Amino acid sequence: RKEVEQDPGPFNVPEGATVAFNCTYSNSASQSFFWYRQDCRKEPKLLMSVYSSGNEDGRFTAQLNRASQYISLLIRDSKLSDSATYLCVVNLRGGNTPLVFGKGTRLSVIA
Amino acid sequence: DTGVSQDPRHKITKRGQNVTFRCDPISEHNRLYWYRQTLGQGPEFLTYFQNEAQLEKSRLLSDRFSAERPKGSFSTLEIQRTEQGDSAMYLCASSLGTTNEKLFFGSGTQLSVL
Repeated sequence: RKEVEQDPGPFNVPEGATVAFNCTYSNSASQSFFWYRQDCRKEPKLLMSVYSSGNEDGRFTAQLNRASQYISLLIRDSKLSDSATYLCVVNLRGGNTPLVFGKGTRLSVIA
Repeated sequence: DTGVSQDPRHKITKRGQNVTFRCDPISEHNRLYWYRQTLGQGPEFLTYFQNEAQLEKSRLLSDRFSAERPKGSFSTLEIQRTEQGDSAMYLCASSLGTTNEKLFFGSGTQLSVL
């Protein structure tokens, strides 16, 4: 199993659609989980952390399933400005070890 | 702008030449990371520092790569005898060094080796 695995997409969805991304990780001892967003030719930026209880930030909902070792990101009511690559990021070895990034899932929201 | 800054933004070099990149982290951040990213891939960890100490290097980092953070502030990444496979975006990130930390990335240095 790859360390952090994502469906690369692209996901092409119309404005207003709901879209979900999944990500799996290899180490059951992983401690911290995040979604980063990366616009074309720009640096990654933190979108949201993912907590065990699940968390929501406006139109974005992140969930963690430790038993199955996957995290998800749900975007409701997609906007054109949501078009970007969404990177799944895991503190795979726990503690103060470097974050491991997935390849990213590309989203295009179409008018 | 008090974010992470990287210099240069772009570097074109011929195979076999040495290149050096600089990263200035956010001033109060004690942890500094170097990542490399190629098209269609996520950022790939290279090395990181806690203050001036280099705590970890990826096994992907060949001996042609060296990084320093001499005074615990800015960092340099040098690539000796560049190869075409070194062409990538080199991203620097900094953080406070706490658990569940947020990484702040610079805009990166795009390296093209001809």
